[in-house]
Amino acid sequence: AQSVTQPDIHITVSEGASLELRCNYSYGATPYLFWYVQSPGQGLQLLLKYFSGDTLVQGIKGFEAEFKRSQSSFNLRKPSVHWSDAAEYFCVLMDTGRRALTFGSGTRLQVQP
Amino acid sequence: GAGVSQSPSNKVTEKGKDVELRCDPISGHTALYWYRQSLGQGLEFLIYFQGNSAPDKSGLPSDRFSAERTGGSVSTLTIQRTQQEDSAVYLCASSLPAPTRDTQYFGPGTRLTVL
Repeated sequence: AQSVTQPDIHITVSEGASLELRCNYSYGATPYLFWYVQSPGQGLQLLLKYFSGDTLVQGIKGFEAEFKRSQSSFNLRKPSVHWSDAAEYFCVLMDTGRRALTFGSGTRLQVQP
Repeated sequence: GAGVSQSPSNKVTEKGKDVELRCDPISGHTALYWYRQSLGQGLEFLIYFQGNSAPDKSGLPSDRFSAERTGGSVSTLTIQRTQQEDSAVYLCASSLPAPTRDTQYFGPGTRLTVL
């Protein structure tokens, strides 16, 4: 069965510091992977997606993620965090047959001034 | 253009009552999904509609849950005889149809509270 693991429930970083959110997946084929962000009271917004090709994908708001097949990982990075980045981040895998999304448990990011 | 809309935004009901939640997908999106976000279970897939095909109901947690999609657009998720464990945020998403590998766009959700 497919699964997504986000090992960090809660991360706190200082504004301006770099960020890396970890994501590991389990899937029997090449996965379709996404990162979504959910701010308080807001819906889920897509940050970036990986389907195939270049393993380093760029997203909105200065985020990027790198797909590493050998490590079954899809970590999200940002070189300099802004206070407005405080939110919950979800790593997501798409079942290419059923199209259903499997979500990780989420990482809540807190940004200190 | 307009995004996915859901109504109501909040619903409070008493245990045992039936509730209906509505989703309006993005125009032109023939694929529609329902998910549930709860404290204990995180975000879970419930059901998937694709055009006129039979829906994928594999994520529905019990036979108290059902969903329909009329005219290939609006969808209604119905929960019969609600239980307290049904309290959650119900999210709807839509996308372009398979086999395009498109993104699912989410609505703001309906927060359901069962007293």
